[in-house]
Amino acid sequence: NAGVTQTPKFQVLKTGQSMTLQCAQDMNHEYMSWYRQDPGMGLRLIHYSVGAGITDQGEVPNGYNVSRSTTEDFPLRLLSAAPSQTSVYFCASSYSIGEAYEQYFGPGTRLTVT
Amino acid sequence: GNSVTQMEGPVTLSEEAFLTINCTYTATGYPSLFWYVQYPGEGLQLLLKATKADDKGSNKGFEATYRKETTSFHLEKGSVQVSDSAVYFCALSDQGTTDSWGKLQFGAGTQVVVTP
Repeated sequence: NAGVTQTPKFQVLKTGQSMTLQCAQDMNHEYMSWYRQDPGMGLRLIHYSVGAGITDQGEVPNGYNVSRSTTEDFPLRLLSAAPSQTSVYFCASSYSIGEAYEQYFGPGTRLTVT
Repeated sequence: GNSVTQMEGPVTLSEEAFLTINCTYTATGYPSLFWYVQYPGEGLQLLLKATKADDKGSNKGFEATYRKETTSFHLEKGSVQVSDSAVYFCALSDQGTTDSWGKLQFGAGTQVVVTP
């Protein structure tokens, strides 16, 4: 199993550009989520999905869109990049909403917006 | 709302020293508690977890006990190695609300640097 994969690893955008961060998992997990990591703030939830066709907002959703057309893929779209979106983005997946499920994280995408 | 507070870093230690990272939480329901570790250039990995009061999670020489009376989940290791240098995140998942599909609430992270 490859686990959770993310592409690209690094990206530089100019303000106003759009792009899609890719995330895929091969563990047949129902639940997937996107986090951003900023210094001193830990990880904050952007959007999440509890299954194909179902998405919802997390703590910091503004400026981002998601879709979940398949169980495997959960892309994150930046509609019009802003410098405040400079961050490291992590995708995660998990099998269950059981008592103490584990989230599996991808290696991250480091995004810089100039 | 739920929150997690961790001690600020960086924490710098010599090899074989004792490590403690404090973590306290507030939660409205009955949270499960986690420690995740992030090695340089990598994503987060689950280090250990505890699902109810007085549970002790342990892995790779690390331990943490779920203390409901003090709302704490401090991470400890008796003898650290250079390879333990990483950022450690305390997190909770509140299972006690209808919206609790398992969202993780993270602390800010504590960087640990172990020198030879």
